[in-house]
Amino acid sequence: GNSVTQMEGPVTLSEEAFLTINCTYTATGYPSLFWYVQYPGEGLQLLLKATKADDKGSNKGFEATYRKETTSFHLEKGSVQVSDSAVYFCALSDTQSPDKLIFGTGTRLQVFP
Amino acid sequence: DAGITQSPRHKVTETGTPVTLRCHQTENHRYMYWYRQDPGHGLRLIHYSYGVKDTDKGEVSDGYSVSRSKTEDFLLTLESATSSQTSVYFCAIRQSPQETQYFGPGTRLLVL
Repeated sequence: GNSVTQMEGPVTLSEEAFLTINCTYTATGYPSLFWYVQYPGEGLQLLLKATKADDKGSNKGFEATYRKETTSFHLEKGSVQVSDSAVYFCALSDTQSPDKLIFGTGTRLQVFP
Repeated sequence: DAGITQSPRHKVTETGTPVTLRCHQTENHRYMYWYRQDPGHGLRLIHYSYGVKDTDKGEVSDGYSVSRSKTEDFLLTLESATSSQTSVYFCAIRQSPQETQYFGPGTRLLVL
């Protein structure tokens, strides 16, 4: 079945450091891929998405490229801020079953000044 | 902001009591979802709805029921709460035909 694997956290960085959070997936068909962010005490917010191979999603300085050959959708940001501290979730949905959004376990990012 | 509210935001209850959580949306979306969030599991789908009175089970539906008598409201009921249902519950909507789901603020439920 479909699944998403994320790197274990927490990821601890200093402000202005480069961020990578790894995400790989297993899926039949051609899934769409998402990154959601959850700030403390809040619900999930869509950060970015990509719907086909080689698409790059981007938002708020974050980027992720849909790599079909490596079944990956790694999240990157060139210079993190303290305000980026949150939990990041990778997710996929199959175009055949758009109601079945499959999440990874989440990666907590902590950014220190 | 997808116009989603959840109530209550926090609830403490005892094992064996019934509990109903409400999700309300203001933008007439057809698709609505209930998830639970637990450490080490991410979010898992409990039930979803694709229209008034049309619902289906998700990955972890045992012990839960849902109802949708109006487009704007999607209710999640724990008929007899158990400690294993202590969790944070999120409602979501999907703006068809897009695949993207948008989430409410969550309800934190503690079952003692």
